[in-house]
Amino acid sequence: GESVGLHLPTLSVQEGDNSIINCAYSNSASDYFIWYKQESGKGPQFIIDIRSNMDKRQGQRVTVLLNKTVKHLSLQIAATQPGDSAVYFCAEKENSGYALNFGKGTSLLVTP
Amino acid sequence: ETGVTQTPRHLVMGMTNKKSLKCEQHLGHNAMYWYKQSAKKPLELMFVYSLEERVENNSVPSRFSPECPNSSHLFLHLHTLQPEDSALYLCASSQVGGNQPQHFGDGTRLSIL
Repeated sequence: GESVGLHLPTLSVQEGDNSIINCAYSNSASDYFIWYKQESGKGPQFIIDIRSNMDKRQGQRVTVLLNKTVKHLSLQIAATQPGDSAVYFCAEKENSGYALNFGKGTSLLVTP
Repeated sequence: ETGVTQTPRHLVMGMTNKKSLKCEQHLGHNAMYWYKQSAKKPLELMFVYSLEERVENNSVPSRFSPECPNSSHLFLHLHTLQPEDSALYLCASSQVGGNQPQHFGDGTRLSIL
């Protein structure tokens, strides 16, 4: 079946470095993508989204890149801080549906 | 994120108990969702309500029964659960139409004895 998955289950970076979290998806009909951050004991928190008519979108310290040709999505976090330590999920959906299809998540650990 | 509030935060129940999870959203959204989050598994969509009508039921066992009395409130009624139902149950809401992000509550951690 179609699925969304993350390349790396864990990522450790030093404070101040840039982080890149990758995500592969397989549903060619997906046209909307979201990145979520989930801290321990909390629900997923919306970070940034991107629609399929774009290949890049920037937020505060975060950038999402979408490569539809290879069905790849990435989240870049600039100047990573200890507060960025969390599990990051990518999710995708088709415009016609309600369901968000989530990947398993990548755990980001920021070390001082 | 306080736009979506879930109660209780933690719940321990026996397999023969009946309990309900509650979700309330203060974001003016008109779609609400229940998800199940188990360890080492992706979030699983359980139910979707759009404009107070159930529009998706992803093969969820009948021991889980959702209720959406209005666009701001969502319940999940639990009855005769199994140990494998122990998980974090997340509620989310969004605007219907087009591509809109879903906003999540902090979940109810459910443990079945």
